[in-house]
Amino acid sequence: NAGVTQTPKFRVLKTGQSMTLLCAQDMNHEYMYWYRQDPGMGLRLIHYSVGEGTTAKGEVPDGYNVSRLKKQNFLLGLESAAPSQTSVYFCASSWWTGRHGYTFGSGTRLTVV
Amino acid sequence: DAKTTQPNSMESNEEEPVHLPCNHSTISGTDYIHWYRQLPSQGPEYVIHGLTSNVNNRMASLAIAEDRKSSTLILHRATLRDAAVYYCILRALENSGGSNYKLTFGKGTLLTVNP
Repeated sequence: NAGVTQTPKFRVLKTGQSMTLLCAQDMNHEYMYWYRQDPGMGLRLIHYSVGEGTTAKGEVPDGYNVSRLKKQNFLLGLESAAPSQTSVYFCASSWWTGRHGYTFGSGTRLTVV
Repeated sequence: DAKTTQPNSMESNEEEPVHLPCNHSTISGTDYIHWYRQLPSQGPEYVIHGLTSNVNNRMASLAIAEDRKSSTLILHRATLRDAAVYYCILRALENSGGSNYKLTFGKGTLLTVNP
């Protein structure tokens, strides 16, 4: 049981380049989330999904797009990377109810130069 | 979203109990109190959660005040591996309605464990 797997773990992009971060979970969770964490800060929600084919904006959605074509996968896209998007990105998944906790991935460290 | 207030940092000695406080005076009746921790260079890890009653698991205990406006995470015997940032979070309803529960993180409490 792998839990939540994020790929890649590290990436360096040049300003203006695009990339996609992949999150995969094998727990059949309905909900999936993308967070970013900047130095000395807590996590901020970028986008989330409450089921296959659905997505919603979180606290800091600008500059990012997401897709959830399959229940187990949640993709985060950067169409034109900016230095302000340098951060550590965490994916998480959960059951639909607050009665259960979240499971987080180990993170993707992205640097935009 | 209902907010939580935690001390920025706390210090403990190894093998001693640690009580991490959290205030959430604007908690609503359907909010669950969640605790997560984040070890250096790792993703957050679920610790425990509760609604009204005190809860115990293999990692910690959660004591919830009777009015639910505060809670305390208890590590019964701190180890060096417990040094982490601890987040107290309310799992809130989506503002637009529906059952879209999401976690909003603050800065948490940095726990230092001294050998």
